[in-house]
Amino acid sequence: GDSVTQMEGPVTLSEEAFLTINCTYTATGYPSLFWYVQYPGEGLQLLLKATKADDKGSNKGFEATYRKETTSFHLEKGSVQVSDSAVYFCALSAAGGSYIPTFGRGTSLIVHP
Amino acid sequence: KAGVTQTPRYLIKTRGQQVTLSCSPISGHRSVSWYQQTPGQGLQFLFEYFSETQRNKGNFPGRFSGRQFSNSRSEMNVSTLELGDSALYLCASSLDTSGANVLTFGAGSRLTVL
Repeated sequence: GDSVTQMEGPVTLSEEAFLTINCTYTATGYPSLFWYVQYPGEGLQLLLKATKADDKGSNKGFEATYRKETTSFHLEKGSVQVSDSAVYFCALSAAGGSYIPTFGRGTSLIVHP
Repeated sequence: KAGVTQTPRYLIKTRGQQVTLSCSPISGHRSVSWYQQTPGQGLQFLFEYFSETQRNKGNFPGRFSGRQFSNSRSEMNVSTLELGDSALYLCASSLDTSGANVLTFGAGSRLTVL
């Protein structure tokens, strides 16, 4: 079945550091890929998405590129802020079937001033 | 436009009791999904409703049930509560069910079972 694997956290960085959170997936066909973010005390919210190979999703300085050859969708940000501290979830939604997204386990990011 | 509203936000129950959680989706969204979030298991899919019909179900025991009303509002019920049911229960709504479907989540209902 479909699956998403994320790097385990927590990831701890200093403000203005470069961020990478790895995400790889297993799916049949051509899924859509997503990054969701969950700030403390809140539900998840969409951060960015990509629907086909080589697409780059971007939002709030975060970027991720849909790499079909490596089945990856790594999240990057050039300079993190304390306000980016949150849990980040990678997810996929298969092109066929139920369309119920499959989520990774989440990666906690802690940014220190 | 109003977001996804979940009530109650926090509740405490004892083992053996039952609980009902409510979710009001974004206006116009017909699909409502429920997830259980715990530190140990992460996000686990419970079930999804579309136009009052349960279309998908996760791997949870029959103690977990839900329904959707004609106005798309949804409720989930957990009967005979166990300690392991303590979790954050998230509701999400969406406009359609295409492969690029984006979910909009509520803030969750945090259930503590004592």
